[in-house]
Amino acid sequence: DAGITQSPRHKVTETGTPVTLRCHQTENHRYMYWYRQDPGHGLRLIHYSYGVKDTDKGEVSDGYSVSRSKTEDFLLTLESATSSQTSVYFCAIRRDRGDTDTQYFGPGTRLTVL
Amino acid sequence: AQSVTQLDSQVPVFEEAPVELRCNYSSSVSVYLFWYVQYPNQGLQLLLKYLSGSTLVKGINGFEAEFNKSQTSFHLRKPSVHISDTAEYFCAVSLMNRDDKIIFGKGTRLHILP
Repeated sequence: DAGITQSPRHKVTETGTPVTLRCHQTENHRYMYWYRQDPGHGLRLIHYSYGVKDTDKGEVSDGYSVSRSKTEDFLLTLESATSSQTSVYFCAIRRDRGDTDTQYFGPGTRLTVL
Repeated sequence: AQSVTQLDSQVPVFEEAPVELRCNYSSSVSVYLFWYVQYPNQGLQLLLKYLSGSTLVKGINGFEAEFNKSQTSFHLRKPSVHISDTAEYFCAVSLMNRDDKIIFGKGTRLHILP
């Protein structure tokens, strides 16, 4: 257990509304990641962070922004949600110590955009 | 650029029969290799990983995988499956000594038939 929680776990929203998903970790590791999972696509990286205020884009970053003002929290924002952003969103961390080569995942957030 | 190919999107197998889930990767540099499992409505859980050393890697729940550098493969095997192995399995690759990304395959859904 890597101490990762995601909130909310489920959300239904309407097209054009802003949405923020939260990932929280209890172990204060530097690296955190946001992925989306869609059938037939596996997991695709949206954004990642390598420290407070240090973030970078992944392969599917359009329409998403992130913020990391505290080590323990990594927020994913959809400024204006679209139906194509209906997906399951996973947060992950990579440990700073020990098995630093592995990513550990949170339970996911299922987002539906109507 | 790295890529991961999981050749089968779905694999049906009878309970107590052996199974092999195939994974091939492409990379011009040395990589780490992973298998993750996702049970229904859950997050991803690390099954096993190859970093270096012995090419046969044993993981949780009786699974093992063999790294074959010449064939750029990392196939997952289990000698006798159980109904509880019903899940989606993801192969993934990351670059050695890189801080950021893991590239995931599209997943293989394992169906256990009674």
